[in-house]
Amino acid sequence: NAGVTQTPKFQVLKTGQSMTLQCAQDMNHEYMSWYRQDPGMGLRLIHYSVGAGITDQGEVPNGYNVSRSTTEDFPLRLLSAAPSQTSVYFCASRAGTSGGGLAKNIQYFGAGTRLSVL
Amino acid sequence: GIQVEQSPPDLILQEGANSTLRCNFSDSVNNLQWFHQNPWGQLINLFYIPSGTKQNGRLSATTVATERYSLLYISSSQTTDSGVYFCAVHHGSSNTGKLIFGQGTTLQVKP
Repeated sequence: NAGVTQTPKFQVLKTGQSMTLQCAQDMNHEYMSWYRQDPGMGLRLIHYSVGAGITDQGEVPNGYNVSRSTTEDFPLRLLSAAPSQTSVYFCASRAGTSGGGLAKNIQYFGAGTRLSVL
Repeated sequence: GIQVEQSPPDLILQEGANSTLRCNFSDSVNNLQWFHQNPWGQLINLFYIPSGTKQNGRLSATTVATERYSLLYISSSQTTDSGVYFCAVHHGSSNTGKLIFGQGTTLQVKP
């Protein structure tokens, strides 16, 4: 299993550009989520999904869109990039109710995407 | 919303020393996890521990849910233990993986 795969690893955008951060998992996990990590602030939840076709907002959703058309993929779209969106973005997945035992509660993270908006 | 506070914010140890990291949370939780973020940025789950005590090698964790805190113990620290340690919790009726993170403890282990 590759686990949680994020692409790209690095990206530089100009203010106003749009782009999509890709996230894929091959563990058949129900739950997927996107976080951003800023210096001194830990990780903050942007959007999450509890299954294909179901998404909801987290703590800091403004400026981002998500969709979940398949179990495996959960892309994060920046509609019009702003310097305030400069951050490191992490995608995560968890087994959810379909997993067995305590393992279903463990959250797995991708390697992150470092985004700079100029 | 629920608040998660970690202490200390920074910690410097000599190799071989022991340490205790603390996580306080402001409300009941149904999911608590400890993560280690290595110097390359990768986040690794250490423990899923909403209550009780667990041990994994030199690391152990205890959560006292009734008193709303969790402790992570690192014994005989090694330079590879360096990085940021995060506590993350979920609060609410459905355990959907919406984790709220503390701000982390940055650990540096010197040789």
